[in-house]
Amino acid sequence: GAGVSQSPSNKVTEKGKDVELRCDPISGHTALYWYRQSLGQGLEFLIYFQGNSAPDKSGLPSDRFSAERTGGSVSTLTIQRTQQEDSAVYLCASSLGSNGQGSIQYFGAGTRLSVL
Amino acid sequence: KNQVEQSPQSLIILEGKNCTLQCNYTVSPFSNLRWYKQDTGRGPVSLTIMTFSENTKSNGRYTATLDADTKQSSLHITASQLSDSASYICVVSYVSGGGADGLTFGKGTHLIIQP
Repeated sequence: GAGVSQSPSNKVTEKGKDVELRCDPISGHTALYWYRQSLGQGLEFLIYFQGNSAPDKSGLPSDRFSAERTGGSVSTLTIQRTQQEDSAVYLCASSLGSNGQGSIQYFGAGTRLSVL
Repeated sequence: KNQVEQSPQSLIILEGKNCTLQCNYTVSPFSNLRWYKQDTGRGPVSLTIMTFSENTKSNGRYTATLDADTKQSSLHITASQLSDSASYICVVSYVSGGGADGLTFGKGTHLIIQP
């Protein structure tokens, strides 16, 4: 596709349920990033993939959060036993490379998660 | 601790006027600095990216400056348009060694252009 695609665009769930968020990066982009943006806050880094491996998982806030990437393309961010504080916009970005000039990140429109 | 501070937090100006947004950072070792524009309900879009040796870079009516000595950057918007209403995020990249450059995000400046 022409850009980074995220689905669903909006997700409302009940506290305690599991949710899966999907990201389709730009074709050919080897690096993929997940961020969280809470209301009035800056972007919070969650996890970075290079290919299918995740060299940096340092931003995952708890063990309820996990992510995987398959085929060097699609990535899924899973949140188990959701809590109200998980409510945020989850943004995915991809880039051609991961360092220097090649690392301009292209963002999807995000998934707005609301946990009731 | 790596930090990026942006000011002002929010700004309202009249259409056609110019404005300047500020970004101060304490990030090292510095790799590059990017400005992103984020429209409401959309993902951020890259405006400019500057390395250590670049002092200024333009993208249409947007001009970014970088002073690596004082660790300050500014984004100047000329002849503002209603479509410039958005959040502007300053992102500083640092060399993390093996793997991707680390990124430190500012919280953004929320700009509103009034007709």
